[in-house]
Amino acid sequence: GNSVTQMEGPVTLSEEAFLTINCTYTATGYPSLFWYVQYPGEGLQLLLKATKADDKGSNKGFEATYRKETTSFHLEKGSVQVSDSAVYFCALSISSNTGKLIFGQGTTLQVKP
Amino acid sequence: DGGITQSPKYLFRKEGQNVTLSCEQNLNHDAMYWYRQDPGQGLRLIYYSQIVNDFQKGDIAEGYSVSREKKESFPLTVTSAQKNPTAFYLCASSIGWASPAYNEQFFGPGTRLTVL
Repeated sequence: GNSVTQMEGPVTLSEEAFLTINCTYTATGYPSLFWYVQYPGEGLQLLLKATKADDKGSNKGFEATYRKETTSFHLEKGSVQVSDSAVYFCALSISSNTGKLIFGQGTTLQVKP
Repeated sequence: DGGITQSPKYLFRKEGQNVTLSCEQNLNHDAMYWYRQDPGQGLRLIYYSQIVNDFQKGDIAEGYSVSREKKESFPLTVTSAQKNPTAFYLCASSIGWASPAYNEQFFGPGTRLTVL
């Protein structure tokens, strides 16, 4: 079946540190891949996406590259800020007409000043 | 500004009562979704609707019901048959399957339901 696996959290970093949050997937067909961010007490916001192999999504200093050979979509940021503290969700959408998303369990990021 | 609104933000319910969560969008999106979020878990799909007057069960539909009488609205009823309803409920919408961006979902702020 289709699934998404994220690294366990929480991830705790100091301000300006390099961030990597691992995400791997299992899917039939050719999925689109997404990273969503959830700030405390709020809904999810789309952070970035990639729709085909080797695509790189980027937004607000975050990047992720769609790697078909390793079935991965790791999230990276060169220098995190305290304001980046949130829960990050990796998700996939299989190529169909339903638009359904399958989410990973989420990874909590805590950035300390 | 276009967006998705959910109300109320916090909801308390006694055991055995049905309760309805509101979700409204003014994005002119065809598709709408309901998710449940539990602590330390990802989102799980309850119901989704791709068009007015049509909806399908998601992965955890038991104990829930929905309606889609208007394009803008997709209310979720949590019935007394739902054994563990305390959770954070998120509504989302997307433009619809006819668009290349059909799978890009926009989320509301959520409703936190607590059963007393």
